[in-house]
Amino acid sequence: DAKTTQPTSMDCAEGRAANLPCNHSTISGNEYVYWYRQIHSQGPQYIIHGLKNNETNEMASLIITEDRKSSTLILPHATLRDTAVYYCIVGRDNQGGKLIFGQGTELSVKP
Amino acid sequence: GAVVSQHPSWVICKSGTSVKIECRSLDFQATTMFWYRQFPKKSLMLMATSNEGSKATYEQGVEKDKFLINHASLTLSTLTVTSAHPEDSSFYICSVKVRAFRTEAFFGQGTRLTVV
Repeated sequence: DAKTTQPTSMDCAEGRAANLPCNHSTISGNEYVYWYRQIHSQGPQYIIHGLKNNETNEMASLIITEDRKSSTLILPHATLRDTAVYYCIVGRDNQGGKLIFGQGTELSVKP
Repeated sequence: GAVVSQHPSWVICKSGTSVKIECRSLDFQATTMFWYRQFPKKSLMLMATSNEGSKATYEQGVEKDKFLINHASLTLSTLTVTSAHPEDSSFYICSVKVRAFRTEAFFGQGTRLTVV
């Protein structure tokens, strides 16, 4: 599976958009980009995934560059409850639960 | 999505004893379950893949005799930490793969194990 690189930490003001970048330059053609987050002392939570097109759901938007070597997760109006570690993971479709987690980005949403 | 329940949420045990952690898929049959462990301030590390009715597949470096996995039904997998030692203290998390949801993983809330 391709490796991902994310900033260690980021801050975001409450109510503003949080843009979390992820580099995955070795992604292969059949690999998806998945985003999960983990609030402190809880199990991870699925956010969104995509292959090549941009995706949006009720939680977030995922922007994938045309060359697919990087992506950005956007939380449009961050709240204090969005404070968590966000993981960008690359893997094949039907990956299910076998996920290889990197170090993730610790997002702190501040009032 | 699928609801995954882990029990217990936390446990403290004495060194040398064994501890069993349960992972249940409450509303879907889980064809496969996964077990992870997480040390403080670290990321999740996949320990093993558990398939119903067959032996678990362990990741490199994980002792199968130390971490016994039983996947007795499509809704229950158990992880038993045998002869636990303080270095086994960690956050253990399970996830399930549900046939109806091809790409999403559903995680339990985790079990905090402290060995004293």
